[in-house]
Amino acid sequence: QKEVEQNSGPLSVPEGAIASLNCTYSDRGSQSFFWYRQYSGKSPELIMFIYSNGDKEDGRFTAQLNKASQYVSLLIRDSQPSDSATYLCAVNLYNQGGKLIFGQGTELSVKP
Amino acid sequence: DAGVTQSPTHLIKTRGQQVTLRCSPKSGHDTVSWYQQALGQGPQFIFQYYEEEERQRGNFPDRFSGHQFPNYSSELNVNALLLGDSALYLCASSDRPYGYTFGSGTRLTVV
Repeated sequence: QKEVEQNSGPLSVPEGAIASLNCTYSDRGSQSFFWYRQYSGKSPELIMFIYSNGDKEDGRFTAQLNKASQYVSLLIRDSQPSDSATYLCAVNLYNQGGKLIFGQGTELSVKP
Repeated sequence: DAGVTQSPTHLIKTRGQQVTLRCSPKSGHDTVSWYQQALGQGPQFIFQYYEEEERQRGNFPDRFSGHQFPNYSSELNVNALLLGDSALYLCASSDRPYGYTFGSGTRLTVV
């Protein structure tokens, strides 16, 4: 079992719709959780991080964490074509000195 | 405020050669991590430096080595290059054990 798993996609949504990206992790020692956006040929860009169970909202983005289910998600409301990118879920195992473990990423395509 | 800067942006090396990649962390950041990202995959952790010491290492062979300087900048060295070392190499810096900022990366092609 991979430490961090994401559906590779591609996930295709129409412009204006809600895009839902999911991520599961295997280590219950995971402390913090990150969503990065990566455009083709570019480096990852941090969108959001979350540490506590529940929802965290930032503009059109909402991160949701459920530690009991070992599940973290990212919702993108009012999706725009400019949101088309690969979204990487990353987990920080604080007890291992803070390295990030990434999933393989989910490719999102927002169609006009 | 400059973010994380990496050099060079691209390079091509021949199998068996050695390469050095460089990273300057974001101002105020003292922790530098290196990642390897193969095409279509998520970044894989190589190692992390803090206070000029390798604090943690991922599952990479000893051909991969690094260094951190007193000004917190860092180098990644790869010896005896293999075709499979072709990837995007990312440097990330932080002033905490979370909240990493990535540089633009170095695209290494081994032929």
